[in-house]
Amino acid sequence: EVQLLESGGGLEQPGGSLRLSCAASGFTFSSYAMSWVRQAPGKGLEWVSTFSVSGGITYYADSVKGRFTVSRDNSKNTLYLQMNSLRADDTAVYYCAKAKRVTIGGMDVWGQGTSVTVS
Amino acid sequence: QSALTQPASVSGSPGQSITISCTGTSSDVGGYNYVSWYQQHPGKAPKLMIYEVSNRPSGVSNRFSGSKSGNTASLTISGLQAEDEADYYCSSYTSSSTLIFGGGTKLTVL
Repeated sequence: EVQLLESGGGLEQPGGSLRLSCAASGFTFSSYAMSWVRQAPGKGLEWVSTFSVSGGITYYADSVKGRFTVSRDNSKNTLYLQMNSLRADDTAVYYCAKAKRVTIGGMDVWGQGTSVTVS
Repeated sequence: QSALTQPASVSGSPGQSITISCTGTSSDVGGYNYVSWYQQHPGKAPKLMIYEVSNRPSGVSNRFSGSKSGNTASLTISGLQAEDEADYYCSSYTSSSTLIFGGGTKLTVL
């Protein structure tokens, strides 16, 4: 079964750091771009970051650029999101998602999400 | 960059068809065929319904279809069913090599 499982969320103070993890199973992790998408309470979806397959290219939303770092360990089938200088508006459920085909486009597998509260 | 524009809500009766629009600019929706649509039920993760404007992933009902004209993409759901009641989001690749979502549309099945 294709599955993504996020972890690492929790309560953190403004200015603090958190590291989210996303463990993948059921597919060839190294063959797909992977992304983080967040959803603030009662709000819509917001793309956060994408890690490409080839060349290790990373992409970020302006709202997190310079504060968040996405990485991946293909040997562990795991995607990470290091979040520094956290702000109250980073409070959200963070989902990791697998690219359907192109690097930044449709995402066909999503985790259940991990909740981050900055307060 | 501002979110893509979607109607806040749409509604329809069982068996009817509805269309949700998603309006962007030539730098996103109009410039690339990388528009996707997601369905999200309360408390659940989003589910990909349409990718690359009009492609349906395996397992998604053919009652769901997507199209694009200029800077506006559309999701049409035909033969509405109670289970279709959910929030729907569009997304598009942008000229800045980012992804932008629409604000979301709440679909109510009357």
